[in-house]
Amino acid sequence: AQSVAQPEDQVNVAEGNPLTVKCTYSVSGNPYLFWYVQYPNRGLQFLLKYITGDNLVKGSYGFEAEFNKSQTSFHLKKPSALVSDSALYFCAVRDILRVDSSYKLIFGSGTRLLVRP
Amino acid sequence: DTEVTQTPKHLVMGMTNKKSLKCEQHMGHRAMYWYKQKAKKPPELMFVYSYEKLSINESVPSRFSPECPNSSLLNLHLHALQPEDSALYLCASSQEVLLQGANTEAFFGQGTRLTVV
Repeated sequence: AQSVAQPEDQVNVAEGNPLTVKCTYSVSGNPYLFWYVQYPNRGLQFLLKYITGDNLVKGSYGFEAEFNKSQTSFHLKKPSALVSDSALYFCAVRDILRVDSSYKLIFGSGTRLLVRP
Repeated sequence: DTEVTQTPKHLVMGMTNKKSLKCEQHMGHRAMYWYKQKAKKPPELMFVYSYEKLSINESVPSRFSPECPNSSLLNLHLHALQPEDSALYLCASSQEVLLQGANTEAFFGQGTRLTVV
């Protein structure tokens, strides 16, 4: 079964410093990986995805993620954190595609990012 | 337009009430989803509709009844809910994925915060 793991419940970083939010995956076949962000009492906003191609994926709001096949990781990064980046971040993997073209998104447990001023 | 609109934003209902959650998208997506999210937890899939047909039901209790009247609308009918059903209910949609290598991400609405009293 497809799965993703986020080993850190919370990440603390000072504003202006680089940030990394970790995600590892376990899939059969080619991975379809996603990062979403959730602000308090809001829905999920799509940040970026990896399907194929370059291992460094650039997304919204200055975020990027590095796909590493040998380490089965897809860590989210940003060179310089902002206080407004403080939110809940979810890594997700697309489950096996069904014959009717529907699929399930399997989410990690989430990592709370706190950026200190 | 990359928006998924959910109404209402907040709902308080008694255990004997009948209510409905509504979701609408105009992106031409043919897959639509209902997720349930408890506080500080990842979203959990409830239902998937593909081409207006129910594709996945994650063993959800019958007090939750989904409906897809057309390709743009998705409803979730609620009846005789329990207090433990209180949660954020998220709707999402995505393009159909018919070709290998085609990529797609799910777009989420802002959610309906449901409280059962």
